[in-house]
Amino acid sequence: DAGITQSPRHKVTETGTPVTLRCHQTENHRYMYWYRQDPGHGLRLIHYSYGVKDTDKGEVSDGYSVSRSKTEDFLLTLESATSSQTSVYFCAISASASYNEQFFGPGTRLTVL
Amino acid sequence: QKEVEQNSGPLSVPEGAIASLNCTYSDRGSQSFFWYRQYSGKSPELIMFIYSNGDKEDGRFTAQLNKASQYVSLLIRDSQPSDSATYLCAVRNNQGGKLIFGQGTELSVKP
Repeated sequence: DAGITQSPRHKVTETGTPVTLRCHQTENHRYMYWYRQDPGHGLRLIHYSYGVKDTDKGEVSDGYSVSRSKTEDFLLTLESATSSQTSVYFCAISASASYNEQFFGPGTRLTVL
Repeated sequence: QKEVEQNSGPLSVPEGAIASLNCTYSDRGSQSFFWYRQYSGKSPELIMFIYSNGDKEDGRFTAQLNKASQYVSLLIRDSQPSDSATYLCAVRNNQGGKLIFGQGTELSVKP
């Protein structure tokens, strides 16, 4: 998985609790992305980062926040989890914005009860 | 109209046949096009990318790009049961450079 790990790999939580997912890369790539994948919706971009402390919203950012304090780590936080946030979450990295070849981590399956 | 469209399938082909997967996109200014393969329960894996009109071959895979008609296709020759997966088309958006993914086409290769 191109030097990308995600933790945890599986999580079950309850509605209203905060949840943080971590993406860690060893490739020193500048760009990092968080996606969610749901049946019928494909991969949708939540947030992305174009450098340390530089982040921006994707198409489905409501209810999510991110932080990137180091090149290698990109955190996704659900401030108050809802059942609609039950999904598989993928982190991706890219070295270049010009062509934007992205490589994906193994994913985190999150279930919100 | 969705920005990137694929037939969801399933597309079923016999072993040894050519599988043809198609993708259309709406942003005429798009410059980069990618094909990802995703096995059930796994993450997407980049298998091909193409930036210029025409064909690009890599082993049994050929990506074809026609910018005038706004479509990109993936041909898999000598299909194997191990090629059974969902194939995702992704297009680099001309506004902001983000990737936009199609919903994927499920391919089943029957022995």
